[in-house]
Amino acid sequence: AQKVTQAQTEISVVEKEDVTLDCVYETRDTTYYLFWYKQPPSGELVFLIRRNSFDEQNEISGRYSWNFQKSTSSFNFTITASQVVDSAVYFCALCGMGQGAQKLVFGQGTRLTINP
Amino acid sequence: DAGVTQSPTHLIKTRGQQVTLRCSPKSGHDTVSWYQQALGQGPQFIFQYYEEEERQRGNFPDRFSGHQFPNYSSELNVNALLLGDSALYLCASSGGRRRTGISYEQYFGPGTRLTVT
Repeated sequence: AQKVTQAQTEISVVEKEDVTLDCVYETRDTTYYLFWYKQPPSGELVFLIRRNSFDEQNEISGRYSWNFQKSTSSFNFTITASQVVDSAVYFCALCGMGQGAQKLVFGQGTRLTINP
Repeated sequence: DAGVTQSPTHLIKTRGQQVTLRCSPKSGHDTVSWYQQALGQGPQFIFQYYEEEERQRGNFPDRFSGHQFPNYSSELNVNALLLGDSALYLCASSGGRRRTGISYEQYFGPGTRLTVT
């Protein structure tokens, strides 16, 4: 069975602070994808990043960076110099590879509030 | 390029009624997945349609059924509504596998918020 755990239910920081959202996953698959999605108040899930289990290289995109560590089954997300517009619920998700294995398993989400 | 669209945006139904939600995938996508997101929870996978057939199903009762049309659009039907069915229903599209292989990036629509009273 697959499982994604986001232990931080809510995080509140002041603008310009750095913040890290934790994600731990469980899977028996040897190959899989990991995702982060952002859900603003409008409700639509916005795709942020996809990483495959073959590639543990960290990735940076502007103020966003992701740290994938297979040894600890973690895929953490850091926002540097946070802004009010970053306020949203963030979801980590897991998807196995292969035929018929495209369902996303989501964590419970972390509500991030950036205060001005 | 239109993204994933869903209709209606909001819906209020009474217990025991039936509801149909609609989804049009992103242009070029041929796979549609449906998710249920209860308040304060992460989305839960309901089922996925590809080539007009249900390819995979999550842990949802048979009251939840779906359909995919030749133009890849999809419907989600829920019968005998319960109060617990109140949620945001999200549609996601992916694929284009005939041309580009399996795509695991799922693009989500804005959702339909269903309230059962």
